[in-house]
Amino acid sequence: EVQLVESGGTLVQPGRSLRLSCAASGFTFDDYAMHWVRQTPGKGLEWVSAISWNSGDIVYADSVKGRFTISRDNAKSSLYLQMNSLRAEDMALYFCAKDIIRGVIHGPLDIWGQGTMVTVSS
Amino acid sequence: DIQMTQSPSTLSASVGDRVSITCRASQTISSWLAWYQQKPGKAPKLLIYKASTLESGVPARFSGSGSGTEFTLTISSLQPDDFATYYCQQYNTYSWTFGQGTKVEIK
Repeated sequence: EVQLVESGGTLVQPGRSLRLSCAASGFTFDDYAMHWVRQTPGKGLEWVSAISWNSGDIVYADSVKGRFTISRDNAKSSLYLQMNSLRAEDMALYFCAKDIIRGVIHGPLDIWGQGTMVTVSS
Repeated sequence: DIQMTQSPSTLSASVGDRVSITCRASQTISSWLAWYQQKPGKAPKLLIYKASTLESGVPARFSGSGSGTEFTLTISSLQPDDFATYYCQQYNTYSWTFGQGTKVEIK
């Protein structure tokens, strides 16, 4: 079964750091670009970051650039999101998602995890 | 960033109805548009990509059309399982953006 399972979401104080993980199974992880997307009731779905199959191409939304770092470990079929200097507006349900196209970052996301909740509050 | 605007925000319909949702882009995105369905407590599910290509396993009652700045998702005969929220997403540039969503509810 093709599956993505996120973890690491929790309650964190503003200004602190958090690392999210996403474990992939059921497909050849290192063939595909991967993305992080977040969702809040107020702002809806917001794309956060993407990384190509070999980590050679990485892109970020302006809202997280310089604070978040996406990475992957193909040997472990895992995707990560290091989140630093967290703000109240980063509070959201974070999904990892698989790109539909092999190799490059393209955009349609055909497999999603169930999400992990990040709460930023003092 | 490219802004995506969906209409309507909410749509009330009955089983068997033909329904359409519109998505407008603030600038041309060629056919680089996807549609997703999301049910409460679940992740989005890809329905259509490249404006009109049906994702594998998605029922043929779903169809997509459009190019440039205006796009439409049509459900030819609404089924009970289709009551959900639908989002469009552009992937023309390396800063993907989603529409605000259209909730399809039971009339």
